[in-house]
Amino acid sequence: SAVISQKPSRDICQRGTSLTIQCQVDSQVTMMFWYRQQPGQSLTLIATANQGSEATYESGFVIDKFPISRPNLTFSTLTVSNMSPEDSSIYLCSVNDLVGQSYGYTFGSGTRLTVV
Amino acid sequence: GENVEQHPSTLSVQEGDSAVIKCTYSDSASNYFPWYKQELGKRPQLIIDIRSNVGEKKDQRIAVTLNKTAKHFSLHITETQPEDSAVYFCAALDYKLSFGAGTTVTVRA
Repeated sequence: SAVISQKPSRDICQRGTSLTIQCQVDSQVTMMFWYRQQPGQSLTLIATANQGSEATYESGFVIDKFPISRPNLTFSTLTVSNMSPEDSSIYLCSVNDLVGQSYGYTFGSGTRLTVV
Repeated sequence: GENVEQHPSTLSVQEGDSAVIKCTYSDSASNYFPWYKQELGKRPQLIIDIRSNVGEKKDQRIAVTLNKTAKHFSLHITETQPEDSAVYFCAALDYKLSFGAGTTVTVRA
């Protein structure tokens, strides 16, 4: 399966600032996804990063708050803008690729964000 | 959109016993149902999945069953070991993956 490198692995940020998270995949993938996992909670899809077009955002998430870039088929960034303590979460990128003999969704190692 | 419910939220089993986690989904168009294991501080790892044209799938000590009519699917772990202790998430795919709330499994030695 694809190897996904995500950085930074963790960061502590001041409220009002922005953080850009990078996701690098070792193979070309059509679809990349960004998830949020709040402390002790499940995973929620933020948006689908589309190469060559704007990202598709899920209900409750907007481009001004979570701008996404997808310059090519192996890389994407998620920016968390104008952060508040409520943005403290783990942010994970994910791709759909071959896992064993079938296609599945694999995750990067995540970025643990704390906003103070 | 898809709504996935997962039960129980916590599960404590004696080592060697079986563990069963159940999920229901709402969208009959969902056609792919993966299960993830997440250890503390780590990424979710895909452990097994099942597609809508299959009723059961097994991989060593792990099995998943799917009942499309009732819209529910279950994870079965047999002969549990301490390293099975983790949070397990079910998910269903219609146009996106929707996750259940998770089950914290503790295997007592």
